Amino acid sequence: DIVMTQSPLSLSVTSGEPASISCRSSQSLLHSNGYKYLGWYLQKPGQSPQLLIYLASNRASGVPDRFSGSGSGTDFTLKISRVEAEDVGVYYCMQTLRPPFTFGGGTVVEIK
Amino acid sequence: QVHLVQSETEVKKPGASVRVSCKASGFTSTNYALHWVRQAPGQSPEWMAWINIGNGYTRSSQKFQGRITITRDTSASKVYMELSSLRSEDTAVYYCATYFGDYEAYDNWGRGTLVTVSS
Repeated sequence: DIVMTQSPLSLSVTSGEPASISCRSSQSLLHSNGYKYLGWYLQKPGQSPQLLIYLASNRASGVPDRFSGSGSGTDFTLKISRVEAEDVGVYYCMQTLRPPFTFGGGTVVEIK
Repeated sequence: QVHLVQSETEVKKPGASVRVSCKASGFTSTNYALHWVRQAPGQSPEWMAWINIGNGYTRSSQKFQGRITITRDTSASKVYMELSSLRSEDTAVYYCATYFGDYEAYDNWGRGTLVTVSS
């Protein structure tokens, strides 16, 4: 199974300041088609996860442009350019290259 | 607008089975896959299985093989996930989610069904 490792476990950020979350996979997520099968999700308190970023660097529909994703085959980053109160929750990375699809351990983001 | 409606909370005893349903609306075709993901209290989500709505093909995680059954009722636009031989570690919120091939990701999620396994 592909193991997904996120860091840090938690982030306390002042509103308006940037934040960055890392995700590392135990195997390359680069498909032969050139795409990296890595997604980022935000789970707000009491809600289902919601898709933020797909294929490592593409914002899902309706996601603010303060969110961006990047990465190589095994190391990925989610950046929030200016954290807002509505961004509070747990962020997960997830690989869909190979079943079983696996999630990272999550990063809790709170406002300082 | 795709919408996934899941069945209500379940409380089961160890050794019993549970069936959770997911009704999908807003799809213009049957060419999509629906996945089941569960999340134990305080834990990360865990992928369980998927079903191709069009042809009924299913695949599940080895962790659940022998205990999980995914079926569909295309006339009712419903998918069912049945998990048998329940144990306390199966206590979790069970989500259905649609897998969008262009994104290789889950673009819609149900609200989740809490399944509690307790004697």
